[in-house]
Amino acid sequence: EVQLLESGGGLVQPGGSLRVSCAASGFTFTSHAMSWVRQAPGKGLEWVSGISGSGGSTYYADSVKGRFTISRDNSKRTLYLQMNSLRAEDTAMYHCAKGPIAWWRGWDWFDPWGQGTLVTVSS
Amino acid sequence: QSVLTQPPSVSGAPGQRVTISCTGSSPNIGAGYDVHWYQQLPGAAPKLLISGNNNRASGVPDRFSGSNSGTSASLAITGLQAEDEADYYCQSYDSILSASVFGGGTRLTVL
Repeated sequence: EVQLLESGGGLVQPGGSLRVSCAASGFTFTSHAMSWVRQAPGKGLEWVSGISGSGGSTYYADSVKGRFTISRDNSKRTLYLQMNSLRAEDTAMYHCAKGPIAWWRGWDWFDPWGQGTLVTVSS
Repeated sequence: QSVLTQPPSVSGAPGQRVTISCTGSSPNIGAGYDVHWYQQLPGAAPKLLISGNNNRASGVPDRFSGSNSGTSASLAITGLQAEDEADYYCQSYDSILSASVFGGGTRLTVL
Protein backbone atom coordinates (compact mmCIF):
# COMPACT_ATOMS: atom_id res chain seq x y z
CA GLU A 1 0.00 0.00 0.00
CA VAL A 2 1.30 3.41 -0.97
CA GLN A 3 1.75 5.68 2.05
CA LEU A 4 2.91 9.27 2.34
CA LEU A 5 3.53 10.71 5.79
CA GLU A 6 4.35 14.38 6.23
CA SER A 7 6.06 15.88 9.26
CA GLY A 8 7.87 18.99 10.40
CA GLY A 9 5.08 21.53 10.46
CA GLY A 10 4.66 24.02 13.26
CA LEU A 11 4.48 27.66 14.28
CA VAL A 12 7.10 30.00 12.82
CA GLN A 13 7.49 33.75 12.89
CA PRO A 14 7.22 35.87 9.72
CA GLY A 15 10.56 35.89 7.97
CA GLY A 16 11.53 32.58 9.53
CA SER A 17 12.36 29.21 8.01
CA LEU A 18 11.00 25.70 8.27
CA ARG A 19 11.62 22.37 6.55
CA VAL A 20 8.81 19.88 6.11
CA SER A 21 9.32 16.25 5.12
CA CYS A 22 7.34 13.48 3.46
CA ALA A 23 8.27 9.86 4.06
CA ALA A 24 7.17 7.53 1.27
CA SER A 25 6.57 3.79 1.27
CA GLY A 26 4.85 1.13 -0.80
CA PHE A 27 6.19 2.09 -4.24
CA THR A 28 9.44 2.53 -6.16
CA PHE A 29 10.25 6.05 -5.03
CA THR A 30 12.67 6.96 -7.83
CA SER A 31 10.09 6.04 -10.48
CA HIS A 32 7.72 8.82 -9.50
CA ALA A 33 7.79 12.59 -9.53
CA MET A 34 6.52 14.19 -6.35
CA SER A 35 4.78 17.45 -5.56
CA TRP A 36 3.78 19.67 -2.67
CA VAL A 37 0.27 21.10 -2.66
CA ARG A 38 -0.99 23.40 0.08
CA GLN A 39 -4.37 24.38 1.43
CA ALA A 40 -4.84 27.50 3.53
CA PRO A 41 -7.44 27.17 6.32
CA GLY A 42 -10.91 27.12 4.81
CA LYS A 43 -9.53 27.71 1.31
CA GLY A 44 -8.85 25.74 -1.85
CA LEU A 45 -5.87 23.81 -3.14
CA GLU A 46 -2.71 25.46 -4.47
CA TRP A 47 0.14 23.61 -6.18
CA VAL A 48 3.45 24.72 -4.67
CA SER A 49 6.30 22.73 -6.17
CA GLY A 50 7.24 19.57 -8.08
CA ILE A 51 10.35 17.45 -8.53
CA SER A 52 11.33 14.67 -10.91
CA GLY A 53 12.08 11.15 -9.74
CA SER A 54 15.83 11.65 -9.98
CA GLY A 55 15.64 15.03 -8.27
CA GLY A 56 17.35 16.66 -11.22
CA SER A 57 14.42 18.86 -12.26
CA THR A 58 12.43 21.13 -9.98
CA TYR A 59 9.43 23.38 -10.53
CA TYR A 60 7.80 26.12 -8.46
CA ALA A 61 4.69 28.25 -8.31
CA ASP A 62 5.41 31.95 -8.74
CA SER A 63 4.13 32.58 -5.20
CA VAL A 64 7.04 30.65 -3.66
CA LYS A 65 9.79 30.92 -6.27
CA GLY A 66 13.05 32.09 -4.73
CA ARG A 67 11.85 31.35 -1.19
CA PHE A 68 11.06 27.62 -1.21
CA THR A 69 13.31 24.73 -2.28
CA ILE A 70 12.07 21.24 -3.03
CA SER A 71 14.44 18.28 -2.79
CA ARG A 72 14.42 14.55 -2.27
CA ASP A 73 16.72 11.95 -0.74
CA ASN A 74 16.01 8.81 -2.72
CA SER A 75 18.14 6.66 -0.42
CA LYS A 76 15.81 7.67 2.45
CA ARG A 77 12.64 7.69 0.32
CA THR A 78 11.94 11.16 1.63
CA LEU A 79 10.73 14.38 0.00
CA TYR A 80 11.51 17.77 1.50
CA LEU A 81 10.33 21.36 1.22
CA GLN A 82 12.64 24.00 2.65
CA MET A 83 10.66 27.18 3.27
CA ASN A 84 12.50 30.47 3.86
CA SER A 85 11.32 34.06 4.27
CA LEU A 86 7.95 32.79 5.39
CA ARG A 87 4.92 35.06 5.22
CA ALA A 88 1.52 34.98 6.89
CA GLU A 89 0.00 33.94 3.56
CA ASP A 90 2.10 30.76 3.59
CA THR A 91 0.00 29.49 6.51
CA ALA A 92 -1.53 26.24 5.25
CA MET A 93 -1.71 22.48 5.43
CA TYR A 94 1.10 21.17 3.22
CA HIS A 95 0.38 17.88 1.45
CA CYS A 96 2.86 15.80 -0.50
CA ALA A 97 1.49 13.90 -3.48
CA LYS A 98 2.79 11.28 -5.88
CA GLY A 99 2.85 11.67 -9.65
CA PRO A 100 2.22 8.83 -12.12
CA ILE A 101 5.63 8.82 -13.82
CA ALA A 102 9.26 9.69 -13.12
CA TRP A 103 9.40 13.07 -14.80
CA TRP A 104 7.31 15.91 -13.54
CA ARG A 105 4.65 17.21 -15.91
CA GLY A 106 2.28 19.84 -14.68
CA TRP A 107 -0.66 18.23 -16.46
CA ASP A 108 -0.33 14.91 -14.60
CA TRP A 109 -2.54 13.96 -11.69
CA PHE A 110 -1.64 13.60 -8.03
CA ASP A 111 -2.36 10.24 -6.41
CA PRO A 112 -2.26 9.57 -3.55
CA TRP A 113 -1.92 12.49 -1.17
CA GLY A 114 -0.56 12.48 2.36
CA GLN A 115 -2.64 13.75 5.26
CA GLY A 116 -0.55 16.90 5.45
CA THR A 117 1.45 18.88 7.98
CA LEU A 118 0.24 22.26 9.23
CA VAL A 119 2.50 25.29 8.91
CA THR A 120 1.43 28.43 10.74
CA VAL A 121 3.27 31.70 10.16
CA SER A 122 2.46 34.17 12.89
CA SER A 123 4.12 36.42 15.43
CA GLN B 1 -9.06 34.23 -8.15
CA SER B 2 -8.40 30.74 -9.46
CA VAL B 3 -7.37 30.14 -13.06
CA LEU B 4 -10.07 27.47 -13.25
CA THR B 5 -13.56 28.56 -12.17
CA GLN B 6 -15.95 26.29 -10.30
CA PRO B 7 -19.31 27.10 -8.70
CA PRO B 8 -18.87 27.51 -4.94
CA SER B 9 -21.68 25.11 -4.17
CA VAL B 10 -24.13 22.65 -5.68
CA SER B 11 -26.78 20.50 -4.06
CA GLY B 12 -29.08 17.63 -4.85
CA ALA B 13 -31.38 15.12 -3.26
CA PRO B 14 -30.42 11.47 -2.80
CA GLY B 15 -30.71 9.59 -6.07
CA GLN B 16 -30.49 12.70 -8.22
CA ARG B 17 -27.84 13.71 -10.75
CA VAL B 18 -25.62 16.74 -10.25
CA THR B 19 -22.87 18.27 -12.37
CA ILE B 20 -19.95 20.44 -11.34
CA SER B 21 -18.42 22.67 -13.98
CA CYS B 22 -14.80 23.74 -14.32
CA THR B 23 -14.29 26.67 -16.67
CA GLY B 24 -10.85 27.50 -17.99
CA SER B 25 -9.39 29.31 -20.98
CA SER B 26 -7.03 28.96 -23.94
CA PRO B 27 -3.77 28.42 -22.02
CA ASN B 28 -5.15 25.56 -19.94
CA ILE B 29 -8.21 23.40 -20.71
CA GLY B 30 -8.61 25.07 -24.10
CA ALA B 31 -5.06 24.05 -25.03
CA GLY B 32 -5.99 20.39 -24.59
CA TYR B 33 -4.41 19.75 -21.21
CA ASP B 34 -6.07 16.97 -19.25
CA VAL B 35 -8.46 17.77 -16.42
CA HIS B 36 -8.44 15.73 -13.23
CA TRP B 37 -10.98 15.70 -10.41
CA TYR B 38 -10.51 15.22 -6.68
CA GLN B 39 -12.88 14.62 -3.78
CA GLN B 40 -12.08 15.98 -0.34
CA LEU B 41 -14.20 14.68 2.52
CA PRO B 42 -14.34 16.81 5.69
CA GLY B 43 -11.07 16.65 7.58
CA ALA B 44 -9.42 14.37 5.01
CA ALA B 45 -6.79 14.71 2.31
CA PRO B 46 -7.93 15.10 -1.29
CA LYS B 47 -8.49 11.85 -3.16
CA LEU B 48 -8.20 11.34 -6.92
CA LEU B 49 -11.57 10.63 -8.54
CA ILE B 50 -11.04 11.12 -12.26
CA SER B 51 -7.79 11.39 -14.22
CA GLY B 52 -7.22 12.30 -17.84
CA ASN B 53 -10.70 13.81 -18.31
CA ASN B 54 -12.74 10.62 -17.83
CA ASN B 55 -10.73 7.79 -16.28
CA ARG B 56 -12.04 6.73 -12.91
CA ALA B 57 -9.42 6.06 -10.27
CA SER B 58 -9.27 2.64 -8.68
CA GLY B 59 -12.28 1.93 -6.51
CA VAL B 60 -14.29 4.93 -7.69
CA PRO B 61 -17.87 3.91 -8.54
CA ASP B 62 -19.18 4.43 -12.06
CA ARG B 63 -21.65 6.97 -10.68
CA PHE B 64 -18.80 9.46 -11.20
CA SER B 65 -17.85 10.56 -14.71
CA GLY B 66 -15.94 13.40 -16.34
CA SER B 67 -16.21 15.16 -19.66
CA ASN B 68 -14.53 17.99 -21.57
CA SER B 69 -15.64 20.46 -24.18
CA GLY B 70 -13.63 23.40 -25.45
CA THR B 71 -12.40 25.43 -22.50
CA SER B 72 -14.55 23.67 -19.89
CA ALA B 73 -14.84 20.35 -18.11
CA SER B 74 -17.56 18.79 -16.00
CA LEU B 75 -17.88 16.19 -13.27
CA ALA B 76 -21.19 14.35 -13.16
CA ILE B 77 -22.44 12.36 -10.19
CA THR B 78 -25.50 10.18 -10.65
CA GLY B 79 -27.49 8.35 -8.01
CA LEU B 80 -26.42 10.88 -5.39
CA GLN B 81 -25.66 9.40 -1.96
CA ALA B 82 -25.15 11.00 1.44
CA GLU B 83 -21.52 9.88 1.42
CA ASP B 84 -20.87 12.03 -1.66
CA GLU B 85 -21.15 15.17 0.44
CA ALA B 86 -17.69 16.72 0.09
CA ASP B 87 -15.61 19.38 -1.65
CA TYR B 88 -14.66 18.70 -5.27
CA TYR B 89 -11.72 20.23 -7.14
CA CYS B 90 -10.68 20.22 -10.80
CA GLN B 91 -7.02 20.42 -11.79
CA SER B 92 -5.20 21.07 -15.06
CA TYR B 93 -2.08 22.81 -16.36
CA ASP B 94 -1.62 26.39 -17.47
CA SER B 95 1.01 27.00 -20.15
CA ILE B 96 1.37 30.71 -19.39
CA LEU B 97 1.88 30.17 -15.66
CA SER B 98 3.86 26.96 -16.32
CA ALA B 99 2.10 25.51 -13.31
CA SER B 100 -0.44 22.96 -12.22
CA VAL B 101 -3.63 24.83 -11.43
CA PHE B 102 -6.72 24.01 -9.41
CA GLY B 103 -10.26 25.26 -9.47
CA GLY B 104 -11.51 27.04 -6.38
CA GLY B 105 -13.50 24.02 -5.30
CA THR B 106 -17.21 23.16 -5.14
CA ARG B 107 -19.02 22.06 -1.99
CA LEU B 108 -21.61 19.40 -2.72
CA THR B 109 -24.51 19.20 -0.29
CA VAL B 110 -26.81 16.18 -0.32
CA LEU B 111 -30.19 17.42 0.81
